[in-house]
Amino acid sequence: KAGVTQTPRYLIKTRGQQVTLSCSPISGHRSVSWYQQTPGQGLQFLFEYFSETQRNKGNFPGRFSGRQFSNSRSEMNVSTLELGDSALYLCASSLGAGTGGTGELFFGEGSRLTVL
Amino acid sequence: GENVEQHPSTLSVQEGDSAVIKCTYSDSASNYFPWYKQELGKRPQLIIDIRSNVGEKKDQRIAVTLNKTAKHFSLHITETQPEDSAVYFCAASTNSGYSTLTFGKGTMLLVSP
Repeated sequence: KAGVTQTPRYLIKTRGQQVTLSCSPISGHRSVSWYQQTPGQGLQFLFEYFSETQRNKGNFPGRFSGRQFSNSRSEMNVSTLELGDSALYLCASSLGAGTGGTGELFFGEGSRLTVL
Repeated sequence: GENVEQHPSTLSVQEGDSAVIKCTYSDSASNYFPWYKQELGKRPQLIIDIRSNVGEKKDQRIAVTLNKTAKHFSLHITETQPEDSAVYFCAASTNSGYSTLTFGKGTMLLVSP
C-alpha cells in the first residue's frame, strides 16, 4: 500500500508570493490533516478535511487555506508569503474519527518551504 | 484551546538505561493521547497511544501511563538502544477529532552506546 505522498518536497519562494502544496493520502483514507513543523514551535495543527469538508482549523491567519477533492487528495495554499512561513509542512492521512479507525495519523515526508 | 507541555526538551541516557518523558495537558475533554517518534530527517510515526479509559498501556519496551485527574501522561522506554535516539512528541485530542492533535514541543532523546 502506497504511503502518503507530498509534492513538492522542497521549494523556495520570495516574500509576497503564494504557494500551493499537494498531498495524496493512503488509499481508503478519507481524513487529511496538515501540520506546520518549525524548530521553535514543534508541530502545529493547520486544518483537517474529511470527505471534502473542513472539520477543524488551527490558529493560523487566513493566508493559510486548504481544500480536499472527491478523491481525498488535498491541497493547502499560503498566500502573501512571509519569512516566518518557512517551515516543513506535513500532511497526514487517517481513516477518520467515527469510521472505526485507530486514530493513527500516517504522515508524509513533508514539503520544506523556504521563504527568502 | 488545548495546550500540551512536554518535558524535558532534551534527554541523554546510556544504552540500557530507562528514559521517561512527561507531558501535561489543559483540556479536560481530551481523551486520546498518542506518542510519535521522529528520527532525523524522517516523518513522525506513531509508537504508542492511550485512551482515557485506560491508565497504562505497554508494548514491549515502551509504556505509557495516564493520570486524568492530574492531566498528565508519560512515556517510559526501558532498556534503551541507540536506535531509540530520535525526537519524541506527545499529543492530545478529543474523541471527536482524532486528526486534530495538539502536540508538545518534543523531546530529543540521545542514547549513547
